[in-house]
Order: sequence, then structure tokens, then C-alpha cells
Amino acid sequence: GAVVSQHPSRVICKSGTSVKIECRSLDFQATTMFWYRQFPKQSLMLMATSNEGSKATYEQGVEKDKFLINHASLTLSTLTVTSAHPEDSSFYICSAREAGSGGPSTDTQYFGPGTRLTVL
Amino acid sequence: SQELEQSPQSLIVQEGKNLTINCTSSKTLYGLYWYKQKYGEGLIFLMMLQKGGEEKSHEKITAKLDEKKQQSSLHITASQPSHAGIYLCGAGSSGGSYIPTFGRGTSLIVHP
Repeated sequence: GAVVSQHPSRVICKSGTSVKIECRSLDFQATTMFWYRQFPKQSLMLMATSNEGSKATYEQGVEKDKFLINHASLTLSTLTVTSAHPEDSSFYICSAREAGSGGPSTDTQYFGPGTRLTVL
Repeated sequence: SQELEQSPQSLIVQEGKNLTINCTSSKTLYGLYWYKQKYGEGLIFLMMLQKGGEEKSHEKITAKLDEKKQQSSLHITASQPSHAGIYLCGAGSSGGSYIPTFGRGTSLIVHP
């Protein structure tokens, strides 16, 4: 299957600093990438949909000024957690959508390995 | 919005046993995905089902989408410790739009 990478895999930062997480589709172009947050023993929570060349669409309750998303190319999306606080500590996972040949129902999401963020 | 209900929430089995995980959708499924996640890691794509009645296999894991396209089951034959992890079902489409939705996951532990 297709490969999606995330960098860094783990980051520890001080409260008040900003952290950037990169998500790359390595062997396909992704017009759409998704950012998720996952708390321990819980499912994925969609934060935002990142579309190449346009503004991201944020889910209800997600602060767009705090979680800045940039999708500058068909293979790269970045999530910047600004002025991070301990409550932002979580596992962040991105996915990239690979278009299928038969419309949206044939598209597949491939996930990155995740980034463990710890804010002290 | 579409909701996916997974059952059971957790499962503990002895190595060698067979097991089944179910995923039920509140709406018709146009594409159903199964993923496996090891604790603290990303999701591994297992397989995608689209057509009612479709069945796919990946090593000892078999998944099927029922005829009415509102439920899928994942079956593991002769489970091994390497099968342990969280299994998530996901749907990427609701009619013509793409709205990713996931079940809450099923945690599987396989005792050697």
C-alpha cells in the first residue's frame, strides 16, 4: 500500500512554545490530508481536513488559530500547534487520501505513524 | 452523520482461537475499511470492502461486507500474539461526499 510519513515521531516541548508536525505522502499525490488526535484508549478524533492550495476545514470545537494547518503541496501538509499547553499533549495522526478509480467511495486513506506530543 | 458501532469493545483470546469483530453502520456503507493499530503507533491499512457480499482476506484475517451494506465483520483464524492491537473500522464516504468516520475500535489481546 501507499506510504505516509510523519515527522517528528515524538516531541517534547515547553508550555507556550509552538510545534510543527509534518505529514508526507511518499509515493502518491494527495489532494486531501486529514489530521486526527487520539487520546489513550480512544478512537481517532478528526480535527481538520487539509486541502492542497486552500484553507483547511476544521471540525467543530477545534481552534483554527491554535492548530494551524498548511497544505502547500500535493505531498505535504503541516500541523502547527501554537502556544502549546499541557492539555495539548496527545497522539496526533495524519492521513492522506489516495483517489480511487471509481469516485469517492473507492478512495483510500493511508495513515502516518503518528506523533506523540508532550507539553511540559 | 454516519456512525460506526464496533463490537466487542475488547477481546482477550488464547493463541490459536478464532475470533470475530463486528462493525455496524447507521447508514449505507459505500466503502468500509479495516485498520489495525498497535498501541501508540499509526494505523495500518488492512483492506477495503465496497460491494455488498464482498469478502477479502489478508493472511489469516478475513473481512466481509454484508449484502445490505450496513455491517462488516472481521474474522481472525488461529489468532497469534502478533494479531494483538486495536482494530478500527472506518468509512470514507457518505453518498457522493467524503466524510471520514471511524468506529471506537476493538482492543484485541492474544495470550500465548
